[in-house]
Amino acid sequence: KQEVTQIPAALSVPEGENLVLNCSFTDSAIYNLQWFRQDPGKGLTSLLLIQSSQREQTSGRLNASLDKSSGRSTLYIAASQPGDSATYLCAAQGGSEKLVFGKGTKLTVNP
Amino acid sequence: DTAVSQTPKYLVTQMGNDKSIKCEQNLGHDTMYWYKQDSKKFLKIMFSYNNKELIINETVPNRFSPKSPDKAHLNLHINSLELGDSAVYFCASNGQGIGGYTFGSGTRLTVV
Repeated sequence: KQEVTQIPAALSVPEGENLVLNCSFTDSAIYNLQWFRQDPGKGLTSLLLIQSSQREQTSGRLNASLDKSSGRSTLYIAASQPGDSATYLCAAQGGSEKLVFGKGTKLTVNP
Repeated sequence: DTAVSQTPKYLVTQMGNDKSIKCEQNLGHDTMYWYKQDSKKFLKIMFSYNNKELIINETVPNRFSPKSPDKAHLNLHINSLELGDSAVYFCASNGQGIGGYTFGSGTRLTVV
């Protein structure tokens, strides 16, 4: 049974700092790994999707890496801004096409 | 233009009532899902349909019944609502693992 863990649960940083959010998963037989952002009271916005054959994906200031063998993914946010404040969710998709979520990292970027 | 749309956005109802949440996607995806986000913000899958056929049912009480009239629609009907059903319900779709999941904006259900 796939389990996804995100560390830390919460993170508070000053504006401009580079930061890393961590995600680990127990079953390495995944099709892909997806990072989402959720603002308070809102839905999920897809940030990056990494296929199982890929090692990383980049979008603007965001970079996500995937190491299937070690069951880890990281989301790197460069030059953080107050607008980046949100909860970041990592989710792994396995063979059943079921997306299993971590509990998220709540990020606060202080001006 | 919305890729995955859910209605209603908010739903407040009394215990014991029956209610439905509707979901539609215009992405041409074959697979649709219902996820529940509890008070601790943890997202967990409830159901999955592939081209109108149920493929995942995660031990959800049988008061919850999904219905898929076609592959672009997946509705969720809930009978005899209980206080513990209060949560945010998200609909999602997936194009067979290509392009990842797209989520709707959620339906906040409050049972009083």
